[in-house]
Amino acid sequence: DQQVKQNSPSLSVQEGRISILNCDYTNSMFDYFLWYKKYPAEGPTFLISISSIKDKNEDGRFTVFLNKSAKHLSLHIVPSQPGDSAVYFCAAPRGRMTGGYQKVTFGIGTKLQVIP
Amino acid sequence: NAGVTQTPKFQVLKTGQSMTLQCAQDMNHNSMYWYRQDPGMGLRLIYYSASEGTTDKGEVPNGYNVSRLNKREFSLRLESAAPSQTSVYFCASSERQGGYEQYFGPGTRLTVT
Repeated sequence: DQQVKQNSPSLSVQEGRISILNCDYTNSMFDYFLWYKKYPAEGPTFLISISSIKDKNEDGRFTVFLNKSAKHLSLHIVPSQPGDSAVYFCAAPRGRMTGGYQKVTFGIGTKLQVIP
Repeated sequence: NAGVTQTPKFQVLKTGQSMTLQCAQDMNHNSMYWYRQDPGMGLRLIYYSASEGTTDKGEVPNGYNVSRLNKREFSLRLESAAPSQTSVYFCASSERQGGYEQYFGPGTRLTVT
């Protein structure tokens, strides 16, 4: 039961253009979302997050948009740079906090290649 | 400030062998986690420790055990390795429990033959 779906396994974009990575979710109880970036042979690193009380959060070249009615979020990278080439995961905590933990569901990732 | 460190980086085991993956964080975080990542799948939680002295099962705990040795260290043990445990293992920590940002180690690539 994949509650967080990243349907595009890969994406290629020219340097300087916009990269748009998409994520759909099925659980309407999700109220917080995170994006992580992962380079080969490294662990994921936190990139940006958004709470469901917002529809947009911006951090430099990275902007996350949330459309709650469509259960869809997207990560925009403008302008794209070759160093952005990585795998991007969206993630959402779900359920009640039980035992001091709130389970996080990760998507399977989208591999972004930015072509110089 | 090294963040989250994991040892070893690579390991090859034969079926039935045991090993312990080590993880340490120097950020004074309360919560620590072990994930595995397999091709075509997102990160899946094996075990977590919400705070020092506590551990709990995640989504895929079978075949693994953990020890929260102290606030800094959280180890993952495979008692009898199986080929299905071939994976990349990530340790992570967070300041608060659950869905807030987690800090990941570089991973351990484990192959079980």
